[in-house]
Amino acid sequence: QLQLQESGPGLVKPSETLSVTCTVSGGSISSSSDYWGWIRQPPGKGLEWIGTMYYSGSTYYNPSLTSRVTISVDTSKNQFSLKLNSVTAADTALYYCARLGPGLAGWFDPWGQGTLVTVSS
Amino acid sequence: DIQMTQSPSSLSASVGDRVTITCRASQSISSYLNWYQQKPGKAPKLLIYAASSLQSGVPSRFSGSGSGTDFTLTISSLQTEDFATYYCQQSYNTLRITFGQGTRLEMK
Repeated sequence: QLQLQESGPGLVKPSETLSVTCTVSGGSISSSSDYWGWIRQPPGKGLEWIGTMYYSGSTYYNPSLTSRVTISVDTSKNQFSLKLNSVTAADTALYYCARLGPGLAGWFDPWGQGTLVTVSS
Repeated sequence: DIQMTQSPSSLSASVGDRVTITCRASQSISSYLNWYQQKPGKAPKLLIYAASSLQSGVPSRFSGSGSGTDFTLTISSLQTEDFATYYCQQSYNTLRITFGQGTRLEMK
């Protein structure tokens, strides 16, 4: 079945760029009905949608983060990636990737297990 | 933005209880409402999609209802494994997906 796995640096310094990659297995990231999303969760807090992408390269970002976020896809590796620049301690969170479907107005399922990124000097 | 407000924020209940969690949207979202369960240290898991459709593999004691602005998640007979945090999420505004703040279900 479809599985997602995040990988990331663990620790990022303030003002630098956070990069996290999601590897999709058991299915194709180029599926016509599926979108792919990033969601984050600060320690002890709730869920925040970061953005969504389609394999063609179309992207949709949370307006509160849009100036700092880039989501990209590598269909040859069945991966998609998140970059968040100019990070601060407020960006410390568990970062999850998930499939969104069917279509943009769908639901997130399944999710990766999450990767914790800590912003600290 | 569409604000999603869950109530209560926390809830104490016992095994066998019937539990209801409410999610209210700040504007009508038709049936574009999904529910997730999150246990400590785990990723959220989809329970209910499109307001009332049970995700495959989810026990039938879970049910969802509502449309427009008011939605409920009901657990008909609480089991030990159901103690977790529950989130609602709207996908009506696909350019600004939002989650509720969560409801923590604890053992009484």
